[in-house]
Amino acid sequence: QKEVEQNSGPLSVPEGAIASLNCTYSDRVSQSFFWYRQYSGKSPELIMSIYSNGDKEDGRFTAQLNKASQYVSLLIRDSQPSDSATYLCAVGVKGTYKYIFGTGTRLKVLA
Amino acid sequence: EAQVTQNPRYLITVTGKKLTVTCSQNMNHEYMSWYRQDPGLGLRQIYYSMNVEVTDKGDVPEGYKVSRKEKRNFPLILESPSPNQTSLYFCASRRAGSTDTQYFGPGTRLTVL
Repeated sequence: QKEVEQNSGPLSVPEGAIASLNCTYSDRVSQSFFWYRQYSGKSPELIMSIYSNGDKEDGRFTAQLNKASQYVSLLIRDSQPSDSATYLCAVGVKGTYKYIFGTGTRLKVLA
Repeated sequence: EAQVTQNPRYLITVTGKKLTVTCSQNMNHEYMSWYRQDPGLGLRQIYYSMNVEVTDKGDVPEGYKVSRKEKRNFPLILESPSPNQTSLYFCASRRAGSTDTQYFGPGTRLTVL
């Protein structure tokens, strides 16, 4: 079992819909949690970080963390074609400076 | 402008020819890290550094070396590159606090023939 798992997609949603991206992780890596957006050929760009259970909202983005179930999700409201990208889930390893990334979910927002 | 720079951005080389990819940041960050990204495998951490002269292995350190003699620079050295090191490489930096954001460089696409 991979330590951080994401569905590779593609996840296709119509413009204006809510996109829901999910990530599960193994207990070893449960410290800090991040969502990055990566456009093709570009570097990852931080969207959200979350450290405690519950929801965290920033504009059209909401991150949700459930440590008991070991998952973290990202909701994108009012999806736009410009949101089409690969979304990477990253988890900080407990007690270290290491990060483990999932393989990413490709999101397509259809105009 | 706060940034992480990498050079070169693209490199084609041959097996066994030593090369160095440079990484520099202008944000006075303590923490720097190297990743490689391969299709289907995602981003994997190669090495990281918590401060000057302090480095540690990530998940895929074999075939790579790093050094951190100055706070702003963290070069990645491939002493004898092999074709399985063909990949997209990213350098990243952040401040020492565990809740701080990592900033990524633009990436270096390396091809080893």
